[in-house]
Amino acid sequence: DAKTTQPTSMDCAEGRAANLPCNHSTISGNEYVYWYRQIHSQGPQYIIHGLKNNETNEMASLIITEDRKSSTLILPHATLRDTAVYYCIVRISGGGADGLTFGKGTHLIIQP
Amino acid sequence: NAGVTQTPKFRILKIGQSMTLQCAQDMNHNYMYWYRQDPGMGLKLIYYSVGAGITDKGEVPNGYNVSRSTTEDFPLRLELAAPSQTSVYFCASSYDNNEQFFGPGTRLTVL
Repeated sequence: DAKTTQPTSMDCAEGRAANLPCNHSTISGNEYVYWYRQIHSQGPQYIIHGLKNNETNEMASLIITEDRKSSTLILPHATLRDTAVYYCIVRISGGGADGLTFGKGTHLIIQP
Repeated sequence: NAGVTQTPKFRILKIGQSMTLQCAQDMNHNYMYWYRQDPGMGLKLIYYSVGAGITDKGEVPNGYNVSRSTTEDFPLRLELAAPSQTSVYFCASSYDNNEQFFGPGTRLTVL
């Protein structure tokens, strides 16, 4: 799986859009970008994933650059409950039946 | 649905003791996984299973064993506990190996 690079931490004001970047310059053509988050002491939670087109669901939007070397997760109206560690993961869709490779992620802190 | 459940929530072991961490899911998922998370780090895959009777090693399998006799259950066995196994253990399941659903975790301390 390709390696990803994320900022260690970020702040965002409550009610504003939180934009979390991820660099994955070595991504392969058949690898997807996945985002998970982990609220303190809880198990990780799936957010969204995509290949090359922008994706949106009820939680977030995923914007992938045309060259696919980077992406941005957007939480449109951040709330205090969005404070968590966000993980960007690159892998083949469905994987090789194996698990996820987690880095250290970005600690997003939503400020009131 | 209860989703993914894990027991116990907390456990303290002495060096050399053994124990089984229980994991169950009621979503009829074929894929199940065990991860460990050390303080300040991301999760690392210990073992995974693609269905009943099939298991395979992940990134850090040493010191652990698993079995998958049913679709619902995926227990993780520690035979000779060591301080290096102090960690938080997460079980997860998935229908198609894309979206994984995680349990609440088991916090294990080995003294």
